[in-house]
Amino acid sequence: DTAVSQTPKYLVTQMGNDKSIKCEQNLGHDTMYWYKQDSKKFLKIMFSYNNKELIINETVPNRFSPKSPDKAHLNLHINSLELGDSAVYFCASSQVGTGAYGYTFGSGTRLTVV
Amino acid sequence: AQSVTQLGSHVSVSEGALVLLRCNYSSSVPPYLFWYVQYPNQGLQLLLKYTTGATLVKGINGFEAEFKKSETSFHLTKPSAHMSDAAEYFCAVSKNAGNMLTFGGGTRLMVKP
Repeated sequence: DTAVSQTPKYLVTQMGNDKSIKCEQNLGHDTMYWYKQDSKKFLKIMFSYNNKELIINETVPNRFSPKSPDKAHLNLHINSLELGDSAVYFCASSQVGTGAYGYTFGSGTRLTVV
Repeated sequence: AQSVTQLGSHVSVSEGALVLLRCNYSSSVPPYLFWYVQYPNQGLQLLLKYTTGATLVKGINGFEAEFKKSETSFHLTKPSAHMSDAAEYFCAVSKNAGNMLTFGGGTRLMVKP
């Protein structure tokens, strides 16, 4: 009954590979997000989708491509992985117009590029 | 544009001592303010939030925070630290329309026995 679930939890891969991270929420929220947490714990938003539509796209290399097949899912595909992509990636969801409720976060995917 | 500043990337207290984690924000509109906690190798968990109304907000695990508009602050406190409070704490701000959370840089709380 996990509210926001991400898979995989750990991902180790070589430079140049392509990988995907999946996220699903069962809260009925309209909006989903991807955040990147670097080695210094700084959290930076990457993307936000509302009802399958992209609404926030921060300065992120176009090797990163989010895909939302429906409002309960937001996947992140990364092409040509680089060492600097190593980080923890968090998926989150919220209900649009109710910023008061904050986000519900997944447990994160630790990506290590070697 | 909104921003959040957390003073002190590391705070160390003794078990039983007062915990004070500082957060200052800037926002062009009345903000919604949040504190999240992140335990090692876990996701972020909401501790408490301020939306409107009472400026002193109580959260889980004995934490509370006070919204002070004149000081643009939302400091997090707990009267008596417990070993299990050791974690990373994040302050965040959002405005209603955009709903996007902007996080501070985080404060690592260490609790000494």
